[in-house]
Amino acid sequence: DQQVKQNSPSLSVQEGRISILNCDYTNSMFDYFLWYKKYPAEGPTFLISISSIKDKNEDGRFTVFLNKSAKHLSLHIVPSQPGDSAVYFCAAENQGGKLIFGQGTELSVKP
Amino acid sequence: EAQVTQNPRYLITVTGKKLTVTCSQNMNHEYMSWYRQDPGLGLRQIYYSMNVEVTDKGDVPEGYKVSRKEKRNFPLILESPSPNQTSLYFCASSYSDRGNYEQYFGPGTRLTVT
Repeated sequence: DQQVKQNSPSLSVQEGRISILNCDYTNSMFDYFLWYKKYPAEGPTFLISISSIKDKNEDGRFTVFLNKSAKHLSLHIVPSQPGDSAVYFCAAENQGGKLIFGQGTELSVKP
Repeated sequence: EAQVTQNPRYLITVTGKKLTVTCSQNMNHEYMSWYRQDPGLGLRQIYYSMNVEVTDKGDVPEGYKVSRKEKRNFPLILESPSPNQTSLYFCASSYSDRGNYEQYFGPGTRLTVT
C-alpha cells in the first residue's frame, strides 16, 4: 500500500516558467514532509522540507505548500532552470521517525 | 569533505553468492539507513540503525542483513542473493531519525543478480 504517491511520472516545463510537482499521502499522522532531488548516477540530495504545523515553506526559487485537509503537498520551482532537470522524490516522516518515499517525478526543463 | 561512500558502485553476481556492500560516513551521524530504488516504487527502506549495535527492519528487509559495529560503517549483506534483489541501493545517514535532520545519501550501488 503506497502511503505516499506521486502520480505524475514525468513533467516537462519551459525554462523560466513555473514547475509544480505534486504529492499525495494517505496517513494523517505524518508530521514532516521533505523533497529530495536526484540526478542520474548520484544519490538523492535534500531540497526542502515542511513541518505538518505549517502550510508553506520557501527557500529561494523553491516553495513547498502543504494542504493537510486534502493530504496533498506540492513543490513549486520559479523560475525553472535547465539545471533543475532531475527526478524529484517526495517523502513523509511518521511519528516513529521512518521516511516513506513516493515513486518520484522526472522533471525536464527545456531551454 | 562531508560524504557517504558506498562500495562497490556496480556489481554483477550470480544467485546464491554471498556479497557485502559497504557504507561509510564521515559526519559522525548516529542514524544510518539502507534503501533500494526500483522503477515505479520509489525508495523503500531495507534496514536502519539509530546507533552502534542498534538496528531494525525497514519495509523490505527479507533477504538482507546489516550490522553496526562502528558508528561510521553500516554494511549491507546479502547472504544468498536472488534475481529479485537486482536493484539500485542507497545508503543514507543523518544526525537523527527525525525528519528535521536531512538525510545524506551515498552515490548508489547498482546490483545485478543473474
